[in-house]
Amino acid sequence: NAGVTQTPKFQVLKTGQSMTLQCAQDMNHNSMYWYRQDPGMGLRLIYYSASEGTTDKGEVPNGYNVSRLNKREFSLRLESAAPSQTSVYFCASSVAGTANYGYTFGSGTRLTVV
Amino acid sequence: GQQLNQSPQSMFIQEGEDVSMNCTSSSIFNTWLWYKQDPGEGPVLLIALYKAGELTSNGRLTAQFGITRKDSFLNISASIPSDVGIYFCAGQPDHYGGATNKLIFGTGTLLAVQP
Repeated sequence: NAGVTQTPKFQVLKTGQSMTLQCAQDMNHNSMYWYRQDPGMGLRLIYYSASEGTTDKGEVPNGYNVSRLNKREFSLRLESAAPSQTSVYFCASSVAGTANYGYTFGSGTRLTVV
Repeated sequence: GQQLNQSPQSMFIQEGEDVSMNCTSSSIFNTWLWYKQDPGEGPVLLIALYKAGELTSNGRLTAQFGITRKDSFLNISASIPSDVGIYFCAGQPDHYGGATNKLIFGTGTLLAVQP
């Protein structure tokens, strides 16, 4: 039972480079999310996808794009990385239509932009 | 955007001590959740609360949904070294209407346990 799988686990980018963070879940969840975690800031929502075929901006979407490739996969793209995007990125998924059961998180991608 | 105020920000305790932390909001919530994040991992759900006054336990952990619906508390009894990590509260504001699955997270409480 893999749950939510994120790749890569670690990445170092130079300013201006692009990359895509991958996320896949095998729990048949409809909703998926991308968060970033910074010291003292908690978890901040970047983008989410309530269901396959839909995506919406969260609290901090600037500098990011997302693709809900199918029900299982939700990717996050940085088109031109900036040092301010150095962070730990978490993907999560949940049952649709209710927050009552919480989210299942991946183990994170630690990104450093130099 | 809306934020949850979580306190304390950090705690450094001796093994065997009890721990209390809380989370407050400026608005009413219909769901409160508590997560734990081990070092280098993603958060894992510990306890979920669904109505005002509800008290729920999970082993040595006990959480309560505040009567005002604007706060929640997490207690850990007889702490052990593996309790170390970051504890997050999360919740869904009542004005979201319950038909969405969006959550708001607190800023976390870092717990360190000295053996």
